Amino acid sequence: DAGITQSPRYKITETGRQVTLMCHQTWSHSYMFWYRQDLGHGLRLIYYSAAADITDKGEVPDGYVVSRSKTENFPLTLESATRSQTSVYFCASSVMREQYFGPGTRLTVT
Amino acid sequence: GIQVEQSPPDLILQEGANSTLRCNFSDSVNNLQWFHQNPWGQLINLFYIPSGTKQNGRLSATTVATERYSLLYISSSQTTDSGVYFCAGEYGGATNKLIFGTGTLLAVQP
Repeated sequence: DAGITQSPRYKITETGRQVTLMCHQTWSHSYMFWYRQDLGHGLRLIYYSAAADITDKGEVPDGYVVSRSKTENFPLTLESATRSQTSVYFCASSVMREQYFGPGTRLTVT
Repeated sequence: GIQVEQSPPDLILQEGANSTLRCNFSDSVNNLQWFHQNPWGQLINLFYIPSGTKQNGRLSATTVATERYSLLYISSSQTTDSGVYFCAGEYGGATNKLIFGTGTLLAVQP
């Protein structure tokens, strides 16, 4: 029972590079979410998806792109990474309104 | 506006003590959930508690939706209870989107 996994767990990249964070869930949950966690802000929603091919913006979508061609995968792409995108990124999925989180990806942009 | 506020921001307990964490939420927020983030960063769903009271072992939660607050009770605290406790509520209609409070950092000392 793998649940929800994220890769990579740690990533260091340079300003201006494109980075893709992967999220995979084995439960076939319809809803999936990307959050970022920064000190003093708690968790903030970047994008969410209600089903395959249905995505929408959250609180802080600027600089991020998502896609969801398959129910189980929800990748998050930083098209041109900036230092302000240094953060811990969490993917989540939900069933019956309860959300379940992946282990997180710690991203550092230098 | 859409707001979730938690108190206290920090709490230090001796092992065996009881504690109450509070979450206040604005009118546009519903369907509260409580999460625990352990010292290794993993987020665990504790309760989905839109109203009423639920109990799970030494933890229980109560939401009074009409008064826009929720409480998380931790009894006979243990060192493994340490970490950050977040409450989060749904906003924006039937989208499962969550807005998080900034958390309560709990340290349980042996």
